[in-house]
Amino acid sequence: DAGVTQSPTHLIKTRGQQVTLRCSPKSGHDTVSWYQQALGQGPQFIFQYYEEEERQRGNFPDRFSGHQFPNYSSELNVNALLLGDSALYLCASSRLPMDSKEETQYFGPGTRLLVL
Amino acid sequence: RKEVEQDPGPFNVPEGATVAFNCTYSNSASQSFFWYRQDCRKEPKLLMSVYSSGNEDGRFTAQLNRASQYISLLIRDSKLSDSATYLCVVSPFSGGYNKLIFGAGTRLAVHP
Repeated sequence: DAGVTQSPTHLIKTRGQQVTLRCSPKSGHDTVSWYQQALGQGPQFIFQYYEEEERQRGNFPDRFSGHQFPNYSSELNVNALLLGDSALYLCASSRLPMDSKEETQYFGPGTRLLVL
Repeated sequence: RKEVEQDPGPFNVPEGATVAFNCTYSNSASQSFFWYRQDCRKEPKLLMSVYSSGNEDGRFTAQLNRASQYISLLIRDSKLSDSATYLCVVSPFSGGYNKLIFGAGTRLAVHP
């Protein structure tokens, strides 16, 4: 059973460019969340997708956008890259619980983005 | 003020030691609480959920005090393999599948 996968693993871009990161959720999961983790910090919630729609959003500018496909995979797009966008971008998948049992999020290995 | 605050450490302890991490959160409406573990350059992994009644998993014990908005993690008989960053996590919603708010993490280094 494959876990959460992300691509690419590493990426180098220059200021002003645009980037697309990809995520495939764990089998059986229908919800994808994206997080940004700067060096020495905890992950920060960017947004969450369910049924191909953005359901929740953190405090990130509109330069950060996303998409979820019918197969539940997801993309994170960042436009007009800034130096401060350099971080580890983590994708997490989960599914709405079918009963009262608490579900958790499973994280992928992340994409390391460096903006020069 | 950060939503979740942790002592960044590092905590340097010998094998076999008992170590305790503390965490406070600012949103009194928070519904779910967790400890995640993150190894160097790896993704976070759920260590355990935290309940008001307290819960234990082997050498790990977690406690939640809603009145004080305080979460703790106790690790007994530390192993070298416990060396990692421990992230305190809260969610404004019930269920761990929803938005997670992370602290900056506390680094633990266990030495021989």
